[in-house]
Amino acid sequence: AQKVTQAQTEISVVEKEDVTLDCVYETRDTTYYLFWYKQPPSGELVFLIRRNSFDEQNEISGRYSWNFQKSTSSFNFTITASQVVDSAVYFCALSELGNTGKLIFGQGTTLQVKP
Amino acid sequence: DVKVTQSSRYLVKRTGEKVFLECVQDMDHENMFWYRQDPGLGLRLIYFSYDVKMKEKGDIPEGYSVSREKKERFSLILESASTNQTSMYLCASSLTPLYGYTFGSGTRLTVV
Repeated sequence: AQKVTQAQTEISVVEKEDVTLDCVYETRDTTYYLFWYKQPPSGELVFLIRRNSFDEQNEISGRYSWNFQKSTSSFNFTITASQVVDSAVYFCALSELGNTGKLIFGQGTTLQVKP
Repeated sequence: DVKVTQSSRYLVKRTGEKVFLECVQDMDHENMFWYRQDPGLGLRLIYFSYDVKMKEKGDIPEGYSVSREKKERFSLILESASTNQTSMYLCASSLTPLYGYTFGSGTRLTVV
């Protein structure tokens, strides 16, 4: 069965610290997609990144970077030099190609960045 | 700018009431979804739809129904609201699984 686990419920850091949000997934499919979403206090989930199962290259976008490792079924998200505006709930999600578009979400990690 | 619009941001209803949560998207997406979000549980899928008049149960459909009479509109119905349905409800739409979802801003429903 497919499952996404975000073991960290809440993380608190001080501004400018680096922080890594963990995501571990389970799937039997060989073709799947992984996502990260950000949910700021306003409530709307905002898409951050999509990765397919055949692309294990790490990605960097500004202060954000993602580390995808199929060997450990992990798709971790690092924020470098965190800022107060990064405070939000972050969700990792999995979609299997044969599963007609459903996203399975992790429990979410609440990140608080203090000034 | 593409949008998914949920009609109410906050809603307070009484136990036993029939509640309608409306969601409209302007992206001509085939797929639409309703999730509920609860602390510690993440997002759980209630119902989804791949086409007009089509619907599929998600992981927690009990106590809910849906309606999709037009492609752009997907309604979630609480037949008889109960206090355990107090939650944040999120609507989303997608073109294909490749692109993930576009979410609405959510409706925070309180049942008293």
